[in-house]
Amino acid sequence: NAGVTQTPKFRVLKTGQSMTLLCAQDMNHEYMYWYRQDPGMGLRLIHYSVGEGTTAKGEVPDGYNVSRLKKQNFLLGLESAAPSQTSVYFCASSYSLGNEQFFGPGTRLTVL
Amino acid sequence: GIQVEQSPPDLILQEGANSTLRCNFSDSVNNLQWFHQNPWGQLINLFYIPSGTKQNGRLSATTVATERYSLLYISSSQTTDSGVYFCAVVDYGNNRLAFGKGNQVVVIP
Repeated sequence: NAGVTQTPKFRVLKTGQSMTLLCAQDMNHEYMYWYRQDPGMGLRLIHYSVGEGTTAKGEVPDGYNVSRLKKQNFLLGLESAAPSQTSVYFCASSYSLGNEQFFGPGTRLTVL
Repeated sequence: GIQVEQSPPDLILQEGANSTLRCNFSDSVNNLQWFHQNPWGQLINLFYIPSGTKQNGRLSATTVATERYSLLYISSSQTTDSGVYFCAVVDYGNNRLAFGKGNQVVVIP
């Protein structure tokens, strides 16, 4: 079992560029999440999904879009990157909201 | 939403020492997780502990849900224990894990 995987691991963008982060899980989890982590802070929820074909906004959704076309994949998109989106992005999954969440290795994104 | 506070924020330990990290939360919870973020940034699941006590090697955790706190014990610390320890509880009202700001632990040889 690979658990939760994320691609890419690192990325540098210029302001205004777009990109997509891919998250994949092989645990047959229904719930998937995207968090961002900024220095000195815990993780904050960007968007989440409670099942294939569903998405919902978290705490800090502005500037991001997501899609869950397949149960095992959850994509996070930045349409027009801004320096404020420089962060480390983590994907996570769980059977349900109240169950243990498992995290991917993270993607370090820098927007210049 | 639920507030999660961790203490102490920073801790320096001599290798071999024991320590206790504390997590307080503002509302009733029926789940709680402890994570270790290592110096490479990976988030490692330590415990899923809604209540009671669990042990895994030199680490153990206790959650007293009725009193709204959890404790993480590190015994005979090693340099590989360095990193940031996070506790998190499910905030059902906002469909998210609410994280504390972490305990930064440095273990020196």
